[in-house]
Amino acid sequence: DAGVTQSPTHLIKTRGQQVTLRCSPKSGHDTVSWYQQALGQGPQFIFQYYEEEERQRGNFPDRFSGHQFPNYSSELNVNALLLGDSALYLCASSGQGPNNEQFFGPGTRLTVL
Amino acid sequence: AQSVTQPDIHITVSEGASLELRCNYSYGATPYLFWYVQSPGQGLQLLLKYFSGDTLVQGIKGFEAEFKRSQSSFNLRKPSVHWSDAAEYFCAVGAPGQNFVFGPGTRLSVLP
Repeated sequence: DAGVTQSPTHLIKTRGQQVTLRCSPKSGHDTVSWYQQALGQGPQFIFQYYEEEERQRGNFPDRFSGHQFPNYSSELNVNALLLGDSALYLCASSGQGPNNEQFFGPGTRLTVL
Repeated sequence: AQSVTQPDIHITVSEGASLELRCNYSYGATPYLFWYVQSPGQGLQLLLKYFSGDTLVQGIKGFEAEFKRSQSSFNLRKPSVHWSDAAEYFCAVGAPGQNFVFGPGTRLSVLP
């Protein structure tokens, strides 16, 4: 079991550009959540996808959008990048049931110049 | 609103000393509580979790945590710290099917 995988590992973009980050969930998991972790802070919830639909959303602008594919993998898209978007982006997957636990990937480090 | 506070931004302990990291939460229902550890440049590794039952939970790497409902706390403890425990520690609260709310983290430094 490969666990949660994310790509790319690192990414450098300039202000105004667009970026796409990718996540493959742990085998057997159907729910994917995305978190932004700014330097020196705890992760903050962006949104969660289940059955290819956005199920929940945190306090992030519409520049942040996502997608979930039939194989449960997911993408996070950020448009019109700002310097403040520089962060570690974490993907977490989980299954259904009362004791669902989120498993986190290693993250994608995004630097916006 | 759901929130998690970790009052200590940075803690330094000597190797072999005991450790307690504090976590307080605000949550409208019975919380699911978690402690994660993050080494520099790495993702999050789950140390332990509390869903229900025994309020003292054991985790990996010799860590334990105690859920105290009356104090809305879930403090992490370890009787003897190793140099490899130096990392950032995050407390989180959540519920089935819901997103996690993380605390700001506590950075642990270990002196030789």
